[in-house]
Amino acid sequence: DQQVKQNSPSLSVQEGRISILNCDYTNSMFDYFLWYKKYPAEGPTFLISISSIKDKNEDGRFTVFLNKSAKHLSLHIVPSQPGDSAVYFCAATLFTSGTYKYIFGTGTRLKVLA
Amino acid sequence: EPEVTQTPSHQVTQMGQEVILRCVPISNHLYFYWYRQILGQKVEFLVSFYNNEISEKSEIFDDQFSVERPDGSNFTLKIRSTKLEDSAMYFCASSAEGHGTQYFGPGTRLLVL
Repeated sequence: DQQVKQNSPSLSVQEGRISILNCDYTNSMFDYFLWYKKYPAEGPTFLISISSIKDKNEDGRFTVFLNKSAKHLSLHIVPSQPGDSAVYFCAATLFTSGTYKYIFGTGTRLKVLA
Repeated sequence: EPEVTQTPSHQVTQMGQEVILRCVPISNHLYFYWYRQILGQKVEFLVSFYNNEISEKSEIFDDQFSVERPDGSNFTLKIRSTKLEDSAMYFCASSAEGHGTQYFGPGTRLLVL
């Protein structure tokens, strides 16, 4: 049961352009969404998050948009830099059995071309 | 900046052997997690731990798995009798609050032969 989906396994973008990473979810009870970046042989690192009561959160070059009616969120990176090349995971949290559970998407590999 | 650490970075073991993966979470964090990522697949939740007990566990976390916080700083994942399909990258994470951002360690790459 894939509750959090990232349908694009990979994305290539020219340096300086916008990268848009997409994530769809099925469970309307998710209350918090996060994006993590992962380099090879390293653990995921937190990038940006958004509460389900908001539709946009911005942090420097990174902006996350949430469309609850469409159950869709996206991460925009502007301008993209070669150092942004990594795998990006979206995650959603669900309060269940008295605790919060993270559910990760399958990841999108972003390659920023110099 | 505080970080989650994991040891060992790599572990090779024979099928049927027990392995213990160790994690030192960020010191003021109260919630602890283990995840795994099989090569080429998504990050999968295994278990969450709070107040010295398991809060939530996934279907993957069967009787072969156990977690422990033996001394107030380490958080360990034990696999009693490893199987080939346990080969994966295992990530520990911690958070200050149940709803808070999780901070991940660098992972332990486990290879079961």
